[in-house]
Amino acid sequence: DQQVKQNSPSLSVQEGRISILNCDYTNSMFDYFLWYKKYPAEGPTFLISISSIKDKNEDGRFTVFLNKSAKHLSLHIVPSQPGDSAVYFCAARAEGGSQGNLIFGKGTKLSVKP
Amino acid sequence: GAGVSQSPRYKVAKRGQDVALRCDPISGHVSLFWYQQALGQGPEFLTYFQNEAQLDKSGLPSDRFFAERPEGSVSTLKIQRTQQEDSAVYLCASSPDSYGYTFGSGTRLTVV
Repeated sequence: DQQVKQNSPSLSVQEGRISILNCDYTNSMFDYFLWYKKYPAEGPTFLISISSIKDKNEDGRFTVFLNKSAKHLSLHIVPSQPGDSAVYFCAARAEGGSQGNLIFGKGTKLSVKP
Repeated sequence: GAGVSQSPRYKVAKRGQDVALRCDPISGHVSLFWYQQALGQGPEFLTYFQNEAQLDKSGLPSDRFFAERPEGSVSTLKIQRTQQEDSAVYLCASSPDSYGYTFGSGTRLTVV
């Protein structure tokens, strides 16, 4: 049973518009959430994170929102650029769990059209 | 080096063969992690080292999988008697703490 779910396998957005990538989780013990970006033939690259004590974290064009009551987080990219085209993974870690054990979703492939 | 280096980049193994995958973490990084990513899936945790100590190996799928980091730097993931279901990309990551993971490009293992 998947603890971290990214229900949209793909998303297509026009350059300059907002991209919204969604992630749902089931484990209420998760206390730290991360987004990774992955280009083909490369490893995932850390993008942005959020602790469960916050509901928003912003870094340049990237903002992550956390809704704990809904067990939902989202990544907003604005404005979207063609270079943002990649697979985006949501990941979570359980409070008190092994520090190395991140649980990843299956990813959402974002395509930003010029 | 500047990043996490993994070798080989690609490995084709015959079923039943043993393989060894190498990870060179970023110099000075205390924590090292191995993940397995099957096609169309997200990475799945295998094991975690802090220096030379293997603190968590709960993700290793069977006793055919073994990881070591004897001197607290380079790590090797060994898979004995490979099976077709072992075909995946094996990702290594390192971190100076428990939060700032840097992943390598992975080793793509194909078992035929």
